[in-house]
Amino acid sequence: KAGVTQTPRYLIKTRGQQVTLSCSPISGHRSVSWYQQTPGQGLQFLFEYFSETQRNKGNFPGRFSGRQFSNSRSEMNVSTLELGDSALYLCASSLEGTRSYNEQFFGPGTRLTVL
Amino acid sequence: GEDVEQSLFLSVREGDSSVINCTYTDSSSTYLYWYKQEPGAGLQLLTYIFSNMDMKQDQRLTVLLNKKDKHLSLRIADTQTGDSAIYFCAESNQGGKLIFGQGTELSVKP
Repeated sequence: KAGVTQTPRYLIKTRGQQVTLSCSPISGHRSVSWYQQTPGQGLQFLFEYFSETQRNKGNFPGRFSGRQFSNSRSEMNVSTLELGDSALYLCASSLEGTRSYNEQFFGPGTRLTVL
Repeated sequence: GEDVEQSLFLSVREGDSSVINCTYTDSSSTYLYWYKQEPGAGLQLLTYIFSNMDMKQDQRLTVLLNKKDKHLSLRIADTQTGDSAIYFCAESNQGGKLIFGQGTELSVKP
């Protein structure tokens, strides 16, 4: 089975631009979660999607948004980029995520640099 | 509130045991996890423990949970240079949301 794939792997943008990151979960997985990883703040939960609905949301401003498609693929969008948005964005998929035990499989991440 | 804390660095000699510690605050956490991250890679789940367990052993890995003190530890027996990585503990009580610690960078010297 193919793992979680994220595209692109690397991205360079300038302040004020917007960006869309893509995540393809493992086949059969219906839950996709997104995390931001920075040296200063560590790993922080952004949001979780299940069956095309946002089920959980972290403490990020409204510039961060996401969606999930009927095939479980997910995208996240960041508008009006700031320097502080430079980070590794990780996507994780799991089978259903309805129970507390929910093994999440992580992709390699998208490294976003904002200049 | 939700908070997970770990020490930032640990250095051991090859063949020794490594013990990485973690404390958490959310008493409603039902599962606690240990993830490993190698340079340039995503996160790999190493092991997990359910909150009503005290200990779990999986080959070279032993997880100990003290629920009263909200303290979790990961012991790696016979540590190898290939174990050098950053180790994260995480808690969850809401399905797809994991709360991570800052990560402990393990350095294994030959």
